[in-house]
Amino acid sequence: NAGVTQTPKFQVLKTGQSMTLQCAQDMNHEYMSWYRQDPGMGLRLIHYSVGAGITDQGEVPNGYNVSRSTTEDFPLRLLSAAPSQTSVYFCASSYPGAGGLQYFGPGTRLTVT
Amino acid sequence: DAKTTQPPSMDCAEGRAANLPCNHSTISGNEYVYWYRQIHSQGPQYIIHGLKNNETNEMASLIITEDRKSSTLILPHATLRDTAVYYCIPRGGSNYKLTFGKGTLLTVNP
Repeated sequence: NAGVTQTPKFQVLKTGQSMTLQCAQDMNHEYMSWYRQDPGMGLRLIHYSVGAGITDQGEVPNGYNVSRSTTEDFPLRLLSAAPSQTSVYFCASSYPGAGGLQYFGPGTRLTVT
Repeated sequence: DAKTTQPPSMDCAEGRAANLPCNHSTISGNEYVYWYRQIHSQGPQYIIHGLKNNETNEMASLIITEDRKSSTLILPHATLRDTAVYYCIPRGGSNYKLTFGKGTLLTVNP
């Protein structure tokens, strides 16, 4: 199993540009989520999904969109990038009954200039 | 979710035990204590979790005080590869979200 994969690893955007961060998992996990991590800080939840077709907002959802059309994929869309969205983005997956056990991807480092 | 207090940094000599404390005095009865670590720039990695009994796995041991207000993660023989930020995360049963604080930066020195 590849586990949780994220692409790209690095991205530089100009203010106002849009892009999609990709996340995929091959463990057939129902739960998927997106976090961001700013320098020196812990992770903060952006959006999460408990199954295909179901998404909900986390702690810091503004400026981001998500959709979940398949179990495997959970893309994160930045609608109009802002310098405040410069961060490292982590995707995670889990399954019902796992409690607080989540599997994290390697991250995407995004810089918005 | 319960609030946690962890020291911002700790040092440990290679081969010695690393004992990382966490205070979670407001933890509720159904909240487990989860520990994750994050090696530089990588995604967080699950280590261990417990409710009220001590737990041990191949990575670490977790000691939870009887009143559940604090816990200690023990890495029995720390290696240089254990240098990472360690997060203590109380988590209730139906709450999907993991709340990460700033954690403890453990530096294992040769």
